Amino acid sequence: DTEVTQTPKHLVMGMTNKKSLKCEQHMGHRAMYWYKQKAKKPPELMFVYSYEKLSINESVPSRFSPECPNSSLLNLHLHALQPEDSALYLCASSQSGTGPKGYTFGSGTRLTVV
Amino acid sequence: GEDVEQSLFLSVREGDSSVINCTYTDSSSTYLYWYKQEPGAGLQLLTYIFSNMDMKQDQRLTVLLNKKDKHLSLRIADTQTGDSAIYFCAESPNSGNTPLVFGKGTRLSVIA
Repeated sequence: DTEVTQTPKHLVMGMTNKKSLKCEQHMGHRAMYWYKQKAKKPPELMFVYSYEKLSINESVPSRFSPECPNSSLLNLHLHALQPEDSALYLCASSQSGTGPKGYTFGSGTRLTVV
Repeated sequence: GEDVEQSLFLSVREGDSSVINCTYTDSSSTYLYWYKQEPGAGLQLLTYIFSNMDMKQDQRLTVLLNKKDKHLSLRIADTQTGDSAIYFCAESPNSGNTPLVFGKGTRLSVIA
């Protein structure tokens, strides 16, 4: 299995809703990442988990809450989002650190906040 | 800090070669990568080059690395309409101990 699977593919939520994005990989990767990507922009790093511990938080607002329940799963809990949070949310994984295989990305969740 | 620069747009005719350029800043980067992103999709690793190489060829793709000038390029031979996408250059700074740094992406349009 050489994939990163993200669900749901699309999500529309109101500003008072609570929702979660899910990411799963079974490649034995020990680093997992959340990125946010606005239209026509590069991905922006949000969080990094290394060996199931949060190692990097790029000053992301607390309305985004990551969770890594085990080495294969990564969640992003969303609460009280703003319309400007609408974006493509990408999950990625890698062996610890970077190497020739770089990061493997999921297809993303297209989030719309109304 | 690290910064990766790319030109934003490139338009080529089908069958021609495309060359996408990138400059990076961290001379300790061990690997440099090219990712492709099609509309509505995630990023797909196309190829990589190790920092002690100056060229790598993989079918229609040729990567050139000029480490002195910190310049990376991706050449796509016989460009097809299916190659239309955004191409991101990325470096692994600090010998791979910090996350990848992506360029802003080059949007390649292939005209039939």
